[in-house]
Amino acid sequence: EAGVVQSPRYKIIEKKQPVAFWCNPISGHNTLYWYLQNLGQGPELLIRYENEEAVDDSQLPKDRFSAERLKGVDSTLKIQPAELGDSAVYLCASSRQMNTEAFFGQGTRLTVV
Amino acid sequence: ILNVEQSPQSLHVQEGDSTNFTCSFPSSNFYALHWYRWETAKSPEALFVMTLNGDEKKKGRISATLNTKEGYSYLYIKGSQPEDSATYLCAFEGANNLFFGTGTRLTVIP
Repeated sequence: EAGVVQSPRYKIIEKKQPVAFWCNPISGHNTLYWYLQNLGQGPELLIRYENEEAVDDSQLPKDRFSAERLKGVDSTLKIQPAELGDSAVYLCASSRQMNTEAFFGQGTRLTVV
Repeated sequence: ILNVEQSPQSLHVQEGDSTNFTCSFPSSNFYALHWYRWETAKSPEALFVMTLNGDEKKKGRISATLNTKEGYSYLYIKGSQPEDSATYLCAFEGANNLFFGTGTRLTVIP
């Protein structure tokens, strides 16, 4: 079974530029998460989807961040415009349903200069 | 944001020692408690998902217990090996979210 696929693996952009990350979850997984992870910290939840519905986006900074999960499969996370403080690893995870383990992608390491 | 706390933040043990970590979480709106193992340069991998008060799960030398009434879980590693060196994350699953703690970084010294 293919795992969670994220792209790109690395991205370097100048501040104020837009950036987008893509996530392909494991086939059949209804739940999809986006997390932000800073060095030395645990993953911080940005948004959780059940199929195509965002059931919790309360931690997503909506002034500059947006996410979508069209057709309840792939998802994209966008930042516009990026700020220096957005430099972090962005992790995507999926699970079959509630109360089951989450499978993580390799993450996208974003550096804003 | 829910408060999921893990202790200690880091731990160094000798090979062969047994060790344990603590995860504390809110006791309300509880759906599940997850434990993950996160090695450097890799993705977090699930160890256990526990849902019932009193649950105990075991995988090889690693085991975990759950107390939902008081809001804590323990992870135990028996006879630590160098390959156990990693960050161990717990996560509280509520109705619509999965919140992680900051992790316990374990280093096993050969």
